[in-house]
Amino acid sequence: GNSVTQMEGPVTLSEEAFLTINCTYTATGYPSLFWYVQYPGEGLQLLLKATKADDKGSNKGFEATYRKETTSFHLEKGSVQVSDSAVYFCALSGSSSNTGKLIFGQGTTLQVKP
Amino acid sequence: GAVVSQHPSRVICKSGTSVKIECRSLDFQATTMFWYRQFPKQSLMLMATSNEGSKATYEQGVEKDKFLINHASLTLSTLTVTSAHPEDSSFYICSAGGGNSGGSSEQFFGPGTRLTVL
Repeated sequence: GNSVTQMEGPVTLSEEAFLTINCTYTATGYPSLFWYVQYPGEGLQLLLKATKADDKGSNKGFEATYRKETTSFHLEKGSVQVSDSAVYFCALSGSSSNTGKLIFGQGTTLQVKP
Repeated sequence: GAVVSQHPSRVICKSGTSVKIECRSLDFQATTMFWYRQFPKQSLMLMATSNEGSKATYEQGVEKDKFLINHASLTLSTLTVTSAHPEDSSFYICSAGGGNSGGSSEQFFGPGTRLTVL
């Protein structure tokens, strides 16, 4: 079945450091891929998405490219801020089921220190 | 993006009682709503999918008689935890979607409800 695997956290960085959070997936067909962010005490917010191979999603300085050949959707940001501290979830939505169900990775906690 | 609200945000109840959690899409009509459960420092586990006007589809291992889901309108879905026990204590999150287009439809998440069963 479909699944998503993220790198384990927590990831601790200094402000202005480069961020990479790895995400790989297993899926049949051509899923859509998402990154969600959850700030402390809040619900999930969509950060970015990509719906087909080679698409690049971007938002708020974060980017992720849909790599079908490596089944990956790694999240990157060139210069993190303290306000980026949150839990980041990679997710996929499988086109084959057409139900819109999301399958989440386990989440990666990012801590950015000033 | 669209706004989804949940009520209450926190609830504490005694063991054996039932608790109802509401999920509302405030500015769009949600044909499908999803209910998730999130344990501390873990990912979201999909519990069930509800479509307006029909019975919910539960994921494997989720007791449908314990977690009653009603999706009576395009803007409201409710989750009722019946005869709650301490092990039901968790963070419950709903999301709403406006339809399907090859699996790329976006879901909008509510802020979650923290349930504590004493």
